[in-house]
Amino acid sequence: DVKVTQSSRYLVKRTGEKVFLECVQDMDHENMFWYRQDPGLGLRLIYFSYDVKMKEKGDIPEGYSVSREKKERFSLILESASTNQTSMYLCASSFPGQYNEQFFGPGTRLTVL
Amino acid sequence: AQKVTQAQTEISVVEKEDVTLDCVYETRDTTYYLFWYKQPPSGELVFLIRRNSFDEQNEISGRYSWNFQKSTSSFNFTITASQVVDSAVYFCALSEGGTQGGSEKLVFGKGTKLTVNP
Repeated sequence: DVKVTQSSRYLVKRTGEKVFLECVQDMDHENMFWYRQDPGLGLRLIYFSYDVKMKEKGDIPEGYSVSREKKERFSLILESASTNQTSMYLCASSFPGQYNEQFFGPGTRLTVL
Repeated sequence: AQKVTQAQTEISVVEKEDVTLDCVYETRDTTYYLFWYKQPPSGELVFLIRRNSFDEQNEISGRYSWNFQKSTSSFNFTITASQVVDSAVYFCALSEGGTQGGSEKLVFGKGTKLTVNP
């Protein structure tokens, strides 16, 4: 079975802290994605990566950066966390191709105080 | 721009009722794919079905069925004889071809929260 894991289910951080959210997949997928999910807004794409060291901005990249040093790992970084980044963060991965479904991790609920 | 609209924010039904979740999309692409995902209370999105733009056959899988109509740009999802375990948020999504080789994105609707009461 495809497995996408995220480092934490729940995380509480202080305003101004640097936050790392880690995502690992074990299916050798080229594509990896970070979304945030907020009530009434659905899933919004933050960043995605289609190869090691390659990244592309999604719809809401402001305040975030990403790192992909290895194929199986995709990190989301909040350089200076703010309260408006309190949200559910979902990681996903897929093979290349418009027809391929994305496989999702369980999500990290981040609270910034 | 590509867009997916799920007009129903929340639906509540009683067990054994049939329920249809609506999905309307907009795209200029001639080749595209539509997806449905389920997000149970545990949080992890689960893939349910994929449909390509050239295949308008309806699909049935157990109690689930999907109706794809290009003429109305809709891809609706029906659950027959709903059960409490069907309670979840359901997302419709549209694939968008990427500008880089191998890069593709999904455009999601805002989701429909389905509650099935015993």
